[in-house]
Amino acid sequence: DTAVSQTPKYLVTQMGNDKSIKCEQNLGHDTMYWYKQDSKKFLKIMFSYNNKELIINETVPNRFSPKSPDKAHLNLHINSLELGDSAVYFCASSLYRGLNTEAFFGQGTRLTVV
Amino acid sequence: DAKTTQPNSMESNEEEPVHLPCNHSTISGTDYIHWYRQLPSQGPEYVIHGLTSNVNNRMASLAIAEDRKSSTLILHRATLRDAAVYYCIPGAYNTDKLIFGTGTRLQVFP
Repeated sequence: DTAVSQTPKYLVTQMGNDKSIKCEQNLGHDTMYWYKQDSKKFLKIMFSYNNKELIINETVPNRFSPKSPDKAHLNLHINSLELGDSAVYFCASSLYRGLNTEAFFGQGTRLTVV
Repeated sequence: DAKTTQPNSMESNEEEPVHLPCNHSTISGTDYIHWYRQLPSQGPEYVIHGLTSNVNNRMASLAIAEDRKSSTLILHRATLRDAAVYYCIPGAYNTDKLIFGTGTRLQVFP
């Protein structure tokens, strides 16, 4: 039973399109995150939500909009996709805020913009 | 945020111990040291974390220098499944984000 699941696993789309990536966690955690891993393998946080409230927004272009309909879900919507958005996007969750609680990551969504 | 320095890559043979070093000389007194690893084509995975004392869990041990400016992740018997990129991440307990560096790529040979 997957703890943090993301869909889709792969996404290939054209520049200018709008796409969404969904994330669900069945761990009962309060906090969820989106991280981006670029082609050079650098992993960087994008957003964090705690109990559906945005707590981190890391200078991400406003074409990226996270939405948390409930504690178990954090979706990422991307408007007007650009070539530079190609990356692997990881969703994660943790029991509560702060680093002293283990973060569980999903398998990632590989987004390719052509 | 504390800067970290880790070797780009290390190699080990299966069933041998592996010591993965990390320098974090600018760590603040309240920062914990977290280790995560990323297996090929997977998301990062928690390994261990500690503050001052050495820590053990089923995956690994964490040895923290007395001055806390460095730490070492110890895998007691490497397996092929331990081949991954290992990230050392200092951070305050009340920080909400993991700041990943470049990590150490560990190769394990049969």
